[in-house]
Amino acid sequence: AQTVTQSQPEMSVQEAETVTLSCTYDTSESDYYLFWYKQPPSRQMILVIRQEAYKQQNATENRFSVNFQKAAKSFSLKISDSQLGDAAMYFCAYIADSWGKFQFGAGTQVVVTP
Amino acid sequence: KAGVTQTPRYLIKTRGQQVTLSCSPISGHRSVSWYQQTPGQGLQFLFEYFSETQRNKGNFPGRFSGRQFSNSRSEMNVSTLELGDSALYLCASSLSTGVSYEQYFGPGTRLTVT
Repeated sequence: AQTVTQSQPEMSVQEAETVTLSCTYDTSESDYYLFWYKQPPSRQMILVIRQEAYKQQNATENRFSVNFQKAAKSFSLKISDSQLGDAAMYFCAYIADSWGKFQFGAGTQVVVTP
Repeated sequence: KAGVTQTPRYLIKTRGQQVTLSCSPISGHRSVSWYQQTPGQGLQFLFEYFSETQRNKGNFPGRFSGRQFSNSRSEMNVSTLELGDSALYLCASSLSTGVSYEQYFGPGTRLTVT
């Protein structure tokens, strides 16, 4: 069965600093998609970034970037120049054609301090 | 373009009752997925509907059911409510079914069972 593990329940970062959230997953698939979603206190899930497994280049979206290590089954998210609005729960998610459903990690709470 | 809407946003029900939640996808989106989010179990996939047909189903008892209408709006129903059904229920829509299509989440319905 596919599993997604986020080992950091909470991460704290100062404004303007950088924080890295870790995510590992277990799969026997060769083609799949990985995502990072942000869930602020409003509970609205917002897509932060997505990575297609067959693409070797790491995805980036403004201040958000990933380090995708396919062989190690690792998919970490780096938030640069952290802002107060980045404070939220961040979920790593996996989906593959054969599975067809999102598998989410337990989430990492990001706290941003002024 | 309007986002995914879910109604009602909050609901309080008594154990043993049944409840129906509604999800209106983004205009043009034909796939709707439902998720349950609880502090203990995290985010779990319930089911996905595409063109009025259930495409995928998660590991939930038969008390959880859903349907999709010809206009792609979807409802999920939970019968014989249990205390453990208290959760945030999220729906997500995408243009079509398949892992390459980005899912857009609604704000969720907070269900409390007393």
